[in-house]
Amino acid sequence: QKEVEQDPGPLSVPEGAIVSLNCTYSNSAFQYFMWYRQYSRKGPELLMYTYSSGNKEDGRFTAQVDKSSKYISLFIRDSQPSDSATYLCAMSEGGTASKLTFGTGTRLQVTL
Amino acid sequence: EAQVTQNPRYLITVTGKKLTVTCSQNMNHEYMSWYRQDPGLGLRQIYYSMNVEVTDKGDVPEGYKVSRKEKRNFPLILESPSPNQTSLYFCASSLRPRVLARYNEQFFGPGTRLTVL
Repeated sequence: QKEVEQDPGPLSVPEGAIVSLNCTYSNSAFQYFMWYRQYSRKGPELLMYTYSSGNKEDGRFTAQVDKSSKYISLFIRDSQPSDSATYLCAMSEGGTASKLTFGTGTRLQVTL
Repeated sequence: EAQVTQNPRYLITVTGKKLTVTCSQNMNHEYMSWYRQDPGLGLRQIYYSMNVEVTDKGDVPEGYKVSRKEKRNFPLILESPSPNQTSLYFCASSLRPRVLARYNEQFFGPGTRLTVL
């Protein structure tokens, strides 16, 4: 079993839809939870991060972490064609280590 | 412009021919790391470095070497490449985390697509 599980998609939604992306994990030592966005032929770029449990909102994006269920989510409101990318969840135990454990990524396509 | 650069961006080579992929960052970051990205497996860490002359294995280090002689550079060396090392490689860097509850973002390079025939 992988340490981090993520549905690979692809997920296709119409412009303006609310998108929900999810990951589950098994390592209870993870404390940092990140969402990276990766456009085709580019490196991943950090979208949002959350420390421990809770919600975090940034514009159209909301990240949620439920450590009791080992489940994290990213919500995208009013999705735009420019949101079309692969979304990678990543986790870290933190402290003095920066090692990231990634999900496999979910490919999102927002259509006009 | 703050960035992580990798060279080459694309490389096709043959089994056994030694190669080096360079990685350089201009942000004075202490932490640098190499990942490989494969379909269905995601990004997996190969090696990382906490600072100059300090390197350690990640999850999939077999067949790779690294060195960190200067803070800005972290080359990835394949002494004898094999077809199973065909992959998309990313270098990343960040400030070294010291403070709990503060995440230091990892900045990724543009990637190197390697094909080993």
